[in-house]
Amino acid sequence: GNSVTQMEGPVTLSEEAFLTINCTYTATGYPSLFWYVQYPGEGLQLLLKATKADDKGSNKGFEATYRKETTSFHLEKGSVQVSDSAVYFCALRLCAGGTSYGKLTFGQGTILTVHP
Amino acid sequence: EAQVTQNPRYLITVTGKKLTVTCSQNMNHEYMSWYRQDPGLGLRQIYYSMNVEVTDKGDVPEGYKVSRKEKRNFPLILESPSPNQTSLYFCASGTREYNEQFFGPGTRLTVL
Repeated sequence: GNSVTQMEGPVTLSEEAFLTINCTYTATGYPSLFWYVQYPGEGLQLLLKATKADDKGSNKGFEATYRKETTSFHLEKGSVQVSDSAVYFCALRLCAGGTSYGKLTFGQGTILTVHP
Repeated sequence: EAQVTQNPRYLITVTGKKLTVTCSQNMNHEYMSWYRQDPGLGLRQIYYSMNVEVTDKGDVPEGYKVSRKEKRNFPLILESPSPNQTSLYFCASGTREYNEQFFGPGTRLTVL
């Protein structure tokens, strides 16, 4: 079956530190990959996405590259801010045509706390 | 404003008392879905709908029902809630291409 594994948290960093949250996946077929962010008390928001191998998604200073050879989609940011404190979810979706297309399969989430 | 709304946002109830959580979207999306979020498990899909009158089970459908009589609405029904359904529930909608799904603000349900 399809699955997503994220590095365990919580992650605690000082402001301006470098961030990496690891994400690896297992999928039958060719998935699209996503990072969603959940700020305290809110729903999930799409942070970035990549739909094919070697694509790089980027948004708000965050980046992730779709690595088919290592089945990974690690999230990085060069300099985190206090406002980046949130829960980050890696997810995959099979491309249209699969029997479960549309469904997002999520990792367990990684809590990030950034201190001033 | 494009959005997915859920009601109620918070609900405390007792075992066996039927309840409905409403979900509505104003983006004319065909696809809608319900997820539950539990610590350490991420989000798991309960039910989804490809279009009006088309629904199907996700990964954890036991104890839940849904209906899709109108494109904009996708209510989640718990006929006889039990304590193991205490969770944070999210409704989501998306386009046919599904390259982005939009999530509601969540409903925190406690079943005593």
